[in-house]
Amino acid sequence: EAQVTQNPRYLITVTGKKLTVTCSQNMNHEYMSWYRQDPGLGLRQIYYSMNVEVTDKGDVPEGYKVSRKEKRNFPLILESPSPNQTSLYFCASSPRLDSYEQYFGPGTRLTVT
Amino acid sequence: SQQGEEDPQALSIQEGENATMNCSYKTSINNLQWYRQNSGRGLVHLILIRSNEREKHSGRLRVTLDTSKKSSSLLITASRAADTASYFCATDNYGGSQGNLIFGKGTKLSVKP
Repeated sequence: EAQVTQNPRYLITVTGKKLTVTCSQNMNHEYMSWYRQDPGLGLRQIYYSMNVEVTDKGDVPEGYKVSRKEKRNFPLILESPSPNQTSLYFCASSPRLDSYEQYFGPGTRLTVT
Repeated sequence: SQQGEEDPQALSIQEGENATMNCSYKTSINNLQWYRQNSGRGLVHLILIRSNEREKHSGRLRVTLDTSKKSSSLLITASRAADTASYFCATDNYGGSQGNLIFGKGTKLSVKP
């Protein structure tokens, strides 16, 4: 089944404890992206990747890191999480840059205390 | 930066009625997309309309695009309770970083049986 998977789906952590949210797609998509969703703010793009080893900042990259060492995986890293990073996170992928239609993962609900 | 802004923020209708949602954006675009999100879940792509298109249909969905007014509308005809969801428009960042997609804050649609 073609899909985007994220792990974990739910995570409660403490300030400053490094964490990684994994994202994987099995559709051989070139483009992958991370978003956070907050009440009243909609979805905001954190980072995106056009292909392996090619990443770029979105609108709210501060406090996050990403890597794209393999085409299928695009992990989101929070080196030192803070409470303002409590949010619902979505990973998405797209077949090609010019197609733009994105396939979303199920989301990861992160709480930082 | 928020580009797409949906209107209204919330819409409540009876089953069988039509639902119209609007999206306004600020800069030139290559294309505009509409997505649906059921509560707390990943977004699902509905339809993409390119900047040189004025109208597009997909099943009960009709999307229009007016680039002179920088606006788009999504019409759902003969609505069903299952259409209850939040709807988002998304635009690319024309002239900016490729791959930077900008989502609006969404319209929450409630269809009552």
